[in-house]
Amino acid sequence: SQQGEEDPQALSIQEGENATMNCSYKTSINNLQWYRQNSGRGLVHLILIRSNEREKHSGRLRVTLDTSKKSSSLLITASRAADTASYFCATGAGGTSYGKLTFGQGTILTVHP
Amino acid sequence: EAQVTQNPRYLITVTGKKLTVTCSQNMNHEYMSWYRQDPGLGLRQIYYSMNVEVTDKGDVPEGYKVSRKEKRNFPLILESPSPNQTSLYFCASSFGGSPSYEQYFGPGTRLTVT
Repeated sequence: SQQGEEDPQALSIQEGENATMNCSYKTSINNLQWYRQNSGRGLVHLILIRSNEREKHSGRLRVTLDTSKKSSSLLITASRAADTASYFCATGAGGTSYGKLTFGQGTILTVHP
Repeated sequence: EAQVTQNPRYLITVTGKKLTVTCSQNMNHEYMSWYRQDPGLGLRQIYYSMNVEVTDKGDVPEGYKVSRKEKRNFPLILESPSPNQTSLYFCASSFGGSPSYEQYFGPGTRLTVT
């Protein structure tokens, strides 16, 4: 089953606007990470939030985690054309799945200048 | 420069011809893993390794083999490639013996099996 699922699948905004992407997951997790990918290239880590954290900031990024709803959101404030990319959430589980990292299908963000 | 390297970057091969995609990291990371990326499916984990000589299956291990004889290398082996293994493959590594840390990704290997 798909663990991390992002929504929306695609998001198109103007430069300067905020972009919000959501990620839902099914099983309990140890942590949740967000990654960015530019056009078929390797993924780049953005931020990691642990299961006992509710919110985390890094520059223009704000991530929230609601373990009761099994969901996370990534907010990019004051977006720039250079933020155009695909964004993925990834969940690390516990128990017998301890070594696994499961990625969602991603949100394609387009920021128009 | 800290990095994960993969070779080859592009490969076109025929069904049944064994191939190996190499992955190497120079950061002394314990955790390494392989993913495949297909349109609309995101990244799916093939195999992972939490340390030397320790490997385990991810979500889509069928048709693949791996080995971890040295800490820095984690090759992906396709013994008998089939067209459904045409995909973009990524190797990644992280500090610590689990995926609970920032993953460093290689540049990707685009494989086409005809």
